[in-house]
Amino acid sequence: EAQVTQNPRYLITVTGKKLTVTCSQNMNHEYMSWYRQDPGLGLRQIYYSMNVEATDKGDVPEGYKVSRKEKRNFPLILESPSPNQTSLYFCASRGTGAGGGYTFGSGTRLTVV
Amino acid sequence: QQQVKQSPQSLIVQKGGISIINCAYENTAFDYFPWYQQFPGKGPALLIAIRPDVSEKKEGRFTISFNKSAKQFSLHIMDSQPGDSATYFCAASSRGSGNTGKLIFGQGTTLQVKP
Repeated sequence: EAQVTQNPRYLITVTGKKLTVTCSQNMNHEYMSWYRQDPGLGLRQIYYSMNVEATDKGDVPEGYKVSRKEKRNFPLILESPSPNQTSLYFCASRGTGAGGGYTFGSGTRLTVV
Repeated sequence: QQQVKQSPQSLIVQKGGISIINCAYENTAFDYFPWYQQFPGKGPALLIAIRPDVSEKKEGRFTISFNKSAKQFSLHIMDSQPGDSATYFCAASSRGSGNTGKLIFGQGTTLQVKP
């Protein structure tokens, strides 16, 4: 089944404790992206990647890091999480070309206390 | 210029009625306008999308109406059903050569269809 898999689904952590949210897709997609969803704000892009070793900042990159060492994986790293990073996070991927939409993962609900 | 504004924030419709959600954008470089549907506990899923060279696209009970001159587009759900109750997001992106296809999302509309 074509899908984007995120782990973990739920995470509660303390301020300053480094964490990684993993994302993997099995569709051989070039583009991958991380979004955060907050009430009333919709989904905002954190980082995106056009292909292996090609990443760039989105609209809200502060406090986050990403890497794209393999085509299928695009982990999101919070080096020193803070409470304002409490949110619902989504990883998404799509192929190249004009058609087709993004396929989203099921989300990771992160709480930073 | 990168914003997409969506309204209403929430919508309650009776079963069998028409649900209408509106979006407006500023960036004339946008050339792809998808709508996503999100159920609780799930990621957004592509529902229907349109390009600016057509004014309307219909897929089953879902229709996108697009007004290029007004820079507005809307989602119409005909014969709304309780199973349509979800959060709907409009989005826009530029997919031309050299662009990343980054999606700019609206704020979302929570739709409740009452039996």
